[in-house]
Amino acid sequence: DVVVTQTPLSLSVTPGQPASISCRSSQSLLHTDGKTYLYWYLQKPGQPPQLLIYEVSNRFSGVPDRFSGSGSGTDFTLKISRVEAEDVGIYYCMQSIKLPEITFGQGTRLEIK
Amino acid sequence: QVQLVQSGAELKKPGASVKVACKSSGYTFTKYYIHWVRQAPGQGLEWMGIINPNGGGTAYAQKFQGRINMTSDTSTSTVYVELKSLRSDDTAIYFCAREDQYTAYWGQGSLVTVSS
Repeated sequence: DVVVTQTPLSLSVTPGQPASISCRSSQSLLHTDGKTYLYWYLQKPGQPPQLLIYEVSNRFSGVPDRFSGSGSGTDFTLKISRVEAEDVGIYYCMQSIKLPEITFGQGTRLEIK
Repeated sequence: QVQLVQSGAELKKPGASVKVACKSSGYTFTKYYIHWVRQAPGQGLEWMGIINPNGGGTAYAQKFQGRINMTSDTSTSTVYVELKSLRSDDTAIYFCAREDQYTAYWGQGSLVTVSS
């Protein structure tokens, strides 16, 4: 199984300040097709996860450009350049290199100071 | 627009079974696999399995082998997950999600509560 580990598990950020979340996988997420199957989601209370970033660094439609993803192989980062109040929730990374199985990180809770 | 609409909340007794529905619209139902993912109260996301609506092929997480069954009904564009021999730790929100390049389309979730 591919294990995905996120750090930190919680984050408290002042509005307008940056935030960063790390995701590490137990094996490379680089597929032989050249794509890297690492995704970032935000789950707000009472809602399903909403996609922010796909394939490491591609923002999904409608996602603000203050969100960015980077990394390669086994180490990945989600950055929020300037946190806003609407960014509160739990952030998950997800891998799908070993389809059909997908696995998620433990989640990182972001709160506003 | 793509939509996945799930069935409502369920309250079940330990040992019973539950069947949750996920109805798709806005795309060709048979073109995309559907994942089932669950989330226990205050916990993270756990993959349960996947179904190919075109033919009904499935793959399940080892943890649920023997007590899970996923099915599809192409006439109503609906997939189902049935979990048997329910325990209290099966209390969770159950989500369906479409497998594609993005895995961006999720159902709203169905709360299953297992309590005597």
